[in-house]
Amino acid sequence: NAGVTQTPKFQVLKTGQSMTLQCAQDMNHEYMSWYRQDPGMGLRLIHYSVGAGITDQGEVPNGYNVSRSTTEDFPLRLLSAAPSQTSVYFCASSQQLGVDYGYTFGSGTRLTVV
Amino acid sequence: EDKVVQSPLSLVVHEGDTVTLNCSYEVTNFRSLLWYKQEKKAPTFLFMLTSSGIEKKSGRLSSILDKKELFSILNITATQTGDSAVYLCAVDNFSNDYKLSFGAGTTVTVRA
Repeated sequence: NAGVTQTPKFQVLKTGQSMTLQCAQDMNHEYMSWYRQDPGMGLRLIHYSVGAGITDQGEVPNGYNVSRSTTEDFPLRLLSAAPSQTSVYFCASSQQLGVDYGYTFGSGTRLTVV
Repeated sequence: EDKVVQSPLSLVVHEGDTVTLNCSYEVTNFRSLLWYKQEKKAPTFLFMLTSSGIEKKSGRLSSILDKKELFSILNITATQTGDSAVYLCAVDNFSNDYKLSFGAGTTVTVRA
């Protein structure tokens, strides 16, 4: 049981490049989300999905796209990387809030844009 | 906009000390408050609190919620160096489709 798997763990991009951060979960969770974590700012929601085929914007969606074609996968695409997108990105999933396990987080992707 | 404020931002204690972390919140339709521990990598779930005045306990960690005064505390007793981490508080909003709003976190350093 792998839980939530994120790849890559580290990435360096040049300004203007595009890339996709991968997220996969094997727990059959309906709810998946992407957060970014910056020093002193906690975790901020980028995009989220309540099920396959359904996505919505979070607090800081600009510059990012997502899709959810299957229950298992929720990739995050950076369209044209900017230095302001240097951050640690976490993917999280949950079967349902309201029971005592909250969200399960992936181990994170540390992205540097130069 | 939901707001979650944690205090203090950081603290340093010695092994055996007791630590109290605070989380205050403003949300339009509160559903639950969650505490996470983050060491080097992913946050790991500690507690979910939905009812006021009921303490949740796990070993040396405990947490309680006050829905009237809109805050929660997380206590760690007999601290150990392994308790060194960032502790995150998050709130869930009824009208927010399972989106969590996080505080900035409290960094706890436990010295031997």
